[in-house]
Order: sequence, then C-alpha cells, then structure tokens
Amino acid sequence: NAGVMQNPRHLVRRRGQEARLRCSPMKGHSHVYWYRQLPEEGLKFMVYLQKENIIDESGMPKERFSAEFPKEGPSILRIQQVVRGDSAAYFCASSPERQGNEKLFFGSGTQLSVL
Amino acid sequence: GNSVTQMEGPVTLSEEAFLTINCTYTATGYPSLFWYVQYPGEGLQLLLKATKADDKGSNKGFEATYRKETTSFHLEKGSVQVSDSAVYFCALPRGATNKLIFGTGTLLAVQP
Repeated sequence: NAGVMQNPRHLVRRRGQEARLRCSPMKGHSHVYWYRQLPEEGLKFMVYLQKENIIDESGMPKERFSAEFPKEGPSILRIQQVVRGDSAAYFCASSPERQGNEKLFFGSGTQLSVL
Repeated sequence: GNSVTQMEGPVTLSEEAFLTINCTYTATGYPSLFWYVQYPGEGLQLLLKATKADDKGSNKGFEATYRKETTSFHLEKGSVQVSDSAVYFCALPRGATNKLIFGTGTLLAVQP
C-alpha cells in the first residue's frame, strides 16, 4: 500500500507563472489536508478537502490559491501568478476519516522555488 | 487559540548521548499532543502521542510525558543513534479535527 504521493518533489517557477502541486492520498483515504512550511517556520494548515468538497479553507490565502479534490484523480493545489513569497515546502496529508490524528499520513512534500 | 513553542535547533549530539527537545503548549482544555519526525527526503511520520495529562507516549526509544502543570511535552531519548538524525516537530490539534498546529521543527544531527 503506497503512502501519500506528492509530485513533483521540486518545482521551479518564475514570478507570474502558475504552480500546480499534486497529491495522491493513501488508498482508501478520502480526506486530504494541505500544509505549507515557510522557511524558518512550522507547518501551517491551508485547506481540508474531501472528495469533491472543500471543507475548510481557512488557512488559504484569499487570492491566487485554490485547491480541489475531484472524484477521480489526485488533489491539486494551484497557485496562480506566483510570487517569491510563495517559495516554501507544501505538504499533503491524508486520513481515512475526519478525526483521529494518529491516522494522518503525510507525503514527502513539494519544494516550490519562485525565481 | 492553541499554540506550540518548540526548542530551536539545530541540535548536534554524539552517538549514545542523551537527547531532550523542549516543547511547551498553550491550549484550551487538554488536547492530545504529538511528536512527528521527518527523516531526510521523507514525509512527516507520527513518532508518538499522549492523549491526556500524565500520559507518557513512547516509540523507538523516544518518550514524552504530557505535563499539565508545566504545559510541556518534552521529547527525550536516553541514547541517540546516527539513524535518529531528522527534524522533529511538536504538534497539537486545533479543535476536534485533524488540523494540526506544528512547532517550527528541531533539526537533530547525530554524529558517530
């Protein structure tokens, strides 16, 4: 049973381009969480999704950021018109149910670098 | 709201040394407390947890005790190994959900 898969591992974009980060949850997991880790900071919650629904996006910046988790396929975190301040490690986590933190599994992250 | 403050790193130790990584928290009520570990090139993994005051979580030789009096959850290991080199994160949930609040992480480097 493969773990949470994130790709790409490293993504380089120039200012103004779009970044698309993908996350395939563990098999049987229908809950996905995205976190961002800025340099010298801890991971910060961004958004929580279930299949086809955004449950909580209270940690998402109001502009340029969006997330989806379609019925088929991976969850996508999209950042439009990237700026240097978006450079960070983006982690995805999945769980089989809403609660129960011991069942939360993380991917290896995508390191986004904006030039 | 809930928050966690973690000891800054990096922490550099020789093999078989004693390890302590400090973590203190601020919370409403008594939430579960967690330590996660991130080995190089990998995702975060749950290392141990404690669900109530005075509980001791343990795994792979690591221990942490949920101390209500000092609002602390310090991570300890009696004898570290090179393979313990990783980043360690203290965390607690924000409310009754899987939304976790993480500390800034402490890089541990163990030298042979």
